[in-house]
Amino acid sequence: DAGITQSPRHKVTETGTPVTLRCHQTENHRYMYWYRQDPGHGLRLIHYSYGVKDTDKGEVSDGYSVSRSKTEDFLLTLESATSSQTSVYFCAISGQAVGYTFGSGTRLTVV
Amino acid sequence: KNEVEQSPQNLTAQEGEFITINCSYSVGISALHWLQQHPGGGIVSLFMLSSGKKKHGRLIATINIQEKHSSLHITASHPRDSAVYICAAGDSNYQLIWGAGTKLIIKP
Repeated sequence: DAGITQSPRHKVTETGTPVTLRCHQTENHRYMYWYRQDPGHGLRLIHYSYGVKDTDKGEVSDGYSVSRSKTEDFLLTLESATSSQTSVYFCAISGQAVGYTFGSGTRLTVV
Repeated sequence: KNEVEQSPQNLTAQEGEFITINCSYSVGISALHWLQQHPGGGIVSLFMLSSGKKKHGRLIATINIQEKHSSLHITASHPRDSAVYICAAGDSNYQLIWGAGTKLIIKP
């Protein structure tokens, strides 16, 4: 969807290196989310944001940090990537009385 | 017990059949969401419901708030409808409680 873009779409990185994924929206929605999707687990919430500089942890936040310095950008950082963080990462946005819009996903492989 | 239960887990049908996927939830919700994900693909929001019924093309979603139950129907199913369909309960904090998904295969 044109209202939300994720970058990069694919990334291969080495264990122990830092990685940052970017989510950018043009909808001016208040809420932004980072999910990971793994076989057998469905979508699991990592972190979410309810405004600029307002973030909170989801169910699988260990090893991840986020930042939101502008309404349109929500960054997910893996400080020191591990193989267990190999996954597909989805960003999503939502606003009052509107549904969710998901980004196209980032396929991250940690080797 | 999961807070959001979907059934069936898997469904295979012939092209043209009427499809129903069910979702029951045990939590208070602000809205019930239906989403679709094609294999290897992105996630698309189909419906957001807080009451009644919504229709978009061949897709119909209904919700019964008293019974805490929602259904997604597909009329005149087509192979391109093959995907995973997920229901998710939205809480007042704009977070989603996900169902496990229903994998739908429509055979030509």
